[in-house]
Amino acid sequence: SYVLIQAPSVSVAPGKTAMITCGGKNIGDKSVHWYQQRPGQAPVLVINHDTDRPSGIPERFSGSKSENTATLSISRVEAGDEADYYCQVWDSSGDRVFGGGTKLTVL
Amino acid sequence: QLVESGGGLVQPGGSLRLSCAASGFSFGAYWMSWVRQAPGKGLEWVAITKQDGSEKYYVDSVTGRFSISRDNAKNSVYLQMNNVRAEDTALYYCANAGALRDDAFHAWGLGTMVTVSS
Repeated sequence: SYVLIQAPSVSVAPGKTAMITCGGKNIGDKSVHWYQQRPGQAPVLVINHDTDRPSGIPERFSGSKSENTATLSISRVEAGDEADYYCQVWDSSGDRVFGGGTKLTVL
Repeated sequence: QLVESGGGLVQPGGSLRLSCAASGFSFGAYWMSWVRQAPGKGLEWVAITKQDGSEKYYVDSVTGRFSISRDNAKNSVYLQMNNVRAEDTALYYCANAGALRDDAFHAWGLGTMVTVSS
């Protein structure tokens, strides 16, 4: 089955840019979605289909993708951005797949 | 809005049926899914059903034990869990999986907790 790899943790100072990566074989051929999950809360979709921001998501959140890596970038990081972030794709087998998640710590 | 129910404590080998009531959107127009999260762990997709129920997919670890179904007249999706195991212990989320096959999980419920223990 398809596997998505995320670093367990990323740390960033307030006001800087956080980059959270998601690696997968030929991920460039798939549509990648990103979710934010704050402690004790349900996940929230922050990036849809590689680069689209759902309504209500700040412009500070953006997505990009290359052949084997997708990246979620959060500019001008705030304390409220501290959360777990998950990438997700649809596999041609019909399965949905999540990455293992990255914990973003704001220093 | 998505509201899950039916969670609780169940013994290994037992059964449980989770329900998810949807409101505020055209339920029959969307794929619907269940996603779980074990305590302190990441998200794991469990099962998904197409708008008319004609296609259903499961993560390998639950295939043959869990069954997803939907009732578009009642705006509800269900997860029948049979022969449960300790590793099925998790918070189970219901999610709107979008209109397209490769869409994101656009909206999530708050989850219902399932604990498998003797």
